[in-house]
Amino acid sequence: QSVLTQSPSASGTPGQRVTISCSGSSSNIGTNTVNWYLHLPGTAPKLLIYGNYQRPSGVPDRFSGSKSGTSASLAISGLQSEDEADYYCATWDDSLNGWVFGGGTDVTVL
Amino acid sequence: QVQLQQSGPGLVKPSQTLSLTCAISGDSVSSNSAAWTWIRQSPSRGLEWLGRTYWKSRWYNDYAVSVKSRITINPDTSKNQFSLQLSSVTPEDTAVYYCAREKGFGVLRLDYWGQGTLVTVSS
Repeated sequence: QSVLTQSPSASGTPGQRVTISCSGSSSNIGTNTVNWYLHLPGTAPKLLIYGNYQRPSGVPDRFSGSKSGTSASLAISGLQSEDEADYYCATWDDSLNGWVFGGGTDVTVL
Repeated sequence: QVQLQQSGPGLVKPSQTLSLTCAISGDSVSSNSAAWTWIRQSPSRGLEWLGRTYWKSRWYNDYAVSVKSRITINPDTSKNQFSLQLSSVTPEDTAVYYCAREKGFGVLRLDYWGQGTLVTVSS
């Protein structure tokens, strides 16, 4: 039911690189910049990436973002146990005139 | 550092009005470079943007089509806060509600979020 499509889960061992994808359309990702959030249950979502690839102050450079056409990706390199969380993509949709989100990807560190 | 502190009841009866408040510190609800938003999250609907209020020489509101007939977001400049009112609630409105700051032109982001409030609609 989410406007943006994410795979529901991803996993890796400590130190590995994990990539999460987010697919949208011309009215959202195709036109506007993408944000990525880390979300732990019971806490406020934390902004990891904005403007497709920019990191707010304090976010480790292990997290990187990219965008191509109507899709975006978040990569986590040097996976750590503390990276276990839900990750969401988000962007503005010009047709809906509002924010739209992905369904979230549950990242597990094996 | 911007902080958003949410308050409001966690239980609302069906057909009544859900009311939440988000108090802002570290920024102003009247800032002409930010918008103040409400978002909710439920297992059935995921993350859902509800609407926003912002100041650009006058107050503006944008609302999601799904709740447009039932929602009001109001700024309170005297207390530097903003509120959400959602009328005629049903159990489908049960969710964790978040307030958030929207920032940026062309590089929009929801950069600061409140702690979330679980609102259950039940008699």
